[in-house]
Amino acid sequence: DAGVIQSPRHEVTEMGQEVTLRCKPISGHDYLFWYRQTMMRGLELLIYFNNNVPIDDSGMPEDRFSAKMPNASFSTLKIQPSEPRDSAVYFCASSLDISGNTIYFGEGSWLTVV
Amino acid sequence: ELKVEQNPLFLSMQEGKNYTIYCNYSTTSDRLYWYRQDPGKSLESLFVLLSNGAVKQEGRLMASLDTKARLSTLHITAAVHDLSATYFCAVSYDMRFGAGTRLTVKP
Repeated sequence: DAGVIQSPRHEVTEMGQEVTLRCKPISGHDYLFWYRQTMMRGLELLIYFNNNVPIDDSGMPEDRFSAKMPNASFSTLKIQPSEPRDSAVYFCASSLDISGNTIYFGEGSWLTVV
Repeated sequence: ELKVEQNPLFLSMQEGKNYTIYCNYSTTSDRLYWYRQDPGKSLESLFVLLSNGAVKQEGRLMASLDTKARLSTLHITAAVHDLSATYFCAVSYDMRFGAGTRLTVKP
């Protein structure tokens, strides 16, 4: 399997623009997670899905952030409008279940908002 | 709210030495994960610990879990330069991460 695939790998955008990050989980994995990593705040769980349904979005920072999972093989994290403080690495991860299986991370999307 | 604390946050070791990284968490959990992250890279799974008293070893790394004490340890034996990285623990089904321990192994 190709692993968790994220795109774009790097994005530089201007403040106020819309940003869409994409994720393809490992085939057969029922759980999908979105994380954000910054130097100041470390790794933060933003939202996770089970069978395409959002289970916990309490980590989503504000209404500018939204996440969808229209099918089992695709998820998006959207920021609209983007702000410089959104600059971070955004990781997508997936797992078969949450009862003890390994959770696999993608390579991350490096976002810079100028 | 679940809190996960790692210590130390920074660790500089000499090659060949032993050391332990600690991961404390604030609420009951029966699973704990350890990950490694190299600079500019993604997170690589090291261990998944699922029960009280669980111990797992891979090479120079050994992880253990004490659910009663809400404590996990990652023990490094005879450190080598290749172990230099940031190590994270994560707790519970929704994977709340600690702040990470940045390990540097010096010759």
